[in-house]
Amino acid sequence: GAGVSQSPSNKVTEKGKDVELRCDPISGHTALYWYRQSLGQGLEFLIYFQGNSAPDKSGLPSDRFSAERTGGSVSTLTIQRTQQEDSAVYLCASSLGTGNMQPQHFGDGTRLSIL
Amino acid sequence: GNSVTQMEGPVTLSEEAFLTINCTYTATGYPSLFWYVQYPGEGLQLLLKATKADDKGSNKGFEATYRKETTSFHLEKGSVQVSDSAVYFCALGRTGANNLFFGTGTRLTVIP
Repeated sequence: GAGVSQSPSNKVTEKGKDVELRCDPISGHTALYWYRQSLGQGLEFLIYFQGNSAPDKSGLPSDRFSAERTGGSVSTLTIQRTQQEDSAVYLCASSLGTGNMQPQHFGDGTRLSIL
Repeated sequence: GNSVTQMEGPVTLSEEAFLTINCTYTATGYPSLFWYVQYPGEGLQLLLKATKADDKGSNKGFEATYRKETTSFHLEKGSVQVSDSAVYFCALGRTGANNLFFGTGTRLTVIP
């Protein structure tokens, strides 16, 4: 497809389970970003990839959160031992390169609900 | 630090009314400024951007001017339509950083 693709679109799981969220960026986009949007709040930056490396992991809220990117394309965000406060919409974005003038293109998000 | 402060919502307007959504920022260096829009049931879309002081971004009848002296990037539209109902996010891209800093969003509802 032409846009950023995220899956699943919705995920409901029990507290304590692990979840894996997937992002397929726009072809040719070298930069990939994960954000979290909690109810009534703005977007919270989680992690950024340039190619396969993640030079900025400062936004990950705890060591239960990890992300990887392989082949400079698809990325997965993994949350281990989920907690109720992890419930949010997880958004992925990609851009042609780095730098503050590059607009980021967003996927539709994964809505994660922890019971 | 780097932050964006956005007008609290929700905002409800009648069709053809004038719209202003205020956005001010705090940043080091020379940031780029963006407005993103999230229509019901859809993902975030870039609406417009401005990369330097006094630049005006425009798209779909919306405009915003990068004002360095007032550190503002207010979104305006002269005549809103029902189809403009959405959540609008102001965002800042900081020199030397790669993530965007977002405001909390302003929900706009336009009634016929």
